[in-house]
Amino acid sequence: KNEVEQSPQNLTAQEGEFITINCSYSVGISALHWLQQHPGGGIVSLFMLSSGKKKHGRLIATINIQEKHSSLHITASHPRDSAVYICAVRSSGGGADGLTFGKGTHLIIQP
Amino acid sequence: KAGVTQTPRYLIKTRGQQVTLSCSPISGHRSVSWYQQTPGQGLQFLFEYFSETQRNKGNFPGRFSGRQFSNSRSEMNVSTLELGDSALYLCASSLVGRGDTEAFFGQGTRLTVV
Repeated sequence: KNEVEQSPQNLTAQEGEFITINCSYSVGISALHWLQQHPGGGIVSLFMLSSGKKKHGRLIATINIQEKHSSLHITASHPRDSAVYICAVRSSGGGADGLTFGKGTHLIIQP
Repeated sequence: KAGVTQTPRYLIKTRGQQVTLSCSPISGHRSVSWYQQTPGQGLQFLFEYFSETQRNKGNFPGRFSGRQFSNSRSEMNVSTLELGDSALYLCASSLVGRGDTEAFFGQGTRLTVV
């Protein structure tokens, strides 16, 4: 079982819709990252969270440490938001200290 | 400020060969992490280097190795290539590589093994 689960796996929406992508994790973490990957492969870091809520433009990320759950919201979605959104966590425990990734949510925003 | 630079962007190798990939981090960043992305397994952690020392290693065979130089540039090497090594290899740099520091990713090197 993957330590990081994302839902939905695929999401198609119309321009202007409010988008929510969810991420649940099973381990104690020191931080959670939301990443965006466009076709071609490059990854952009959107947010890094350890508590609460962060906002950048039309993007909002929240995290509930007790429930081990995070959400990424996109308001007034636009076709340029079409990408794969990946949740990643850095464990606060021992062992490999790299990021553990979800499988990603493939988002398509239609005009 | 220049971002994370990975070279080459694309590479085609034959089974049994070895390959070396390069990653130049953002100036001032001392931590470099490497990741493998495949359609089946998604993104997986390979290893992390900090100040020329391997600090952490993921669950990959010994054919995968790396190093970091005094200028923080990092290389990863894969020996005796297998078809399953075909993947996008990404590196990420951060100031100190702690959990609460932001990671910046390169564009990746797409390796195809034939």
